[in-house]
Amino acid sequence: DIVMTQTPLSLSVTPGQPASISCKSSQSLLHSDGKTYLYWYLQKPGQSPQLLIYEVSSRFSGVPDRFSGSGSGTDFTLKISRVEAEDVGVYYCMQGIHPLTFGGGTKVEIK
Amino acid sequence: EVQLVESGGGLVQPGGSLRLSCAASGFTFRSYWMHWVRQAPGKGLVWVSRINTDGSTTSYADSVKGRFTISRDNAKNTLYLQMNSLRAEDTAVYYCARGGGGSCYDWGQGTLVTVSS
Repeated sequence: DIVMTQTPLSLSVTPGQPASISCKSSQSLLHSDGKTYLYWYLQKPGQSPQLLIYEVSSRFSGVPDRFSGSGSGTDFTLKISRVEAEDVGVYYCMQGIHPLTFGGGTKVEIK
Repeated sequence: EVQLVESGGGLVQPGGSLRLSCAASGFTFRSYWMHWVRQAPGKGLVWVSRINTDGSTTSYADSVKGRFTISRDNAKNTLYLQMNSLRAEDTAVYYCARGGGGSCYDWGQGTLVTVSS
């Protein structure tokens, strides 16, 4: 199984400041179909996860443009350009090569 | 609006069985792969199972293989997870999600399964 490693474990951010989360996979997520199946989710307190970014860098419907994803192969990054209070929660990366696996999560809180 | 509503969770004794349902609406159910993902209390997300659009292809995490069965009824827009031989470590909130074969786009609110004597 592909192991997904997220860093940091937690992040405390001042509103308006940027934040960055790293996700590394134990093997390349580049599929033979040319796509890279790397996703980012946010689970707000008491809620179910919501998709932010799919296939490394595409924002899902309704996701603010302050969220961006980048990376390739085994190294990926989620960036929030200016953190807002509503961005608190746990962020997970997930890879889509069977069996699907998630990173351990990064808890983001506001200072 | 996409809606996924899970039901069927509850308290069950070790070794017991439970069937979860996920009622889908707001999209063409038969066009999407469906997944089950679980989250133990205070822990992270763990993928459990997936099924393709017509139900002919299913996959499972090793931890549930042989004990859980995923199925779907496209006429009823409903996804199922039959869980047998339940163990304490199966205690979790179970989410259904619609997506592709390797992706989860929209998630339900989850249903809690507690395995305890």
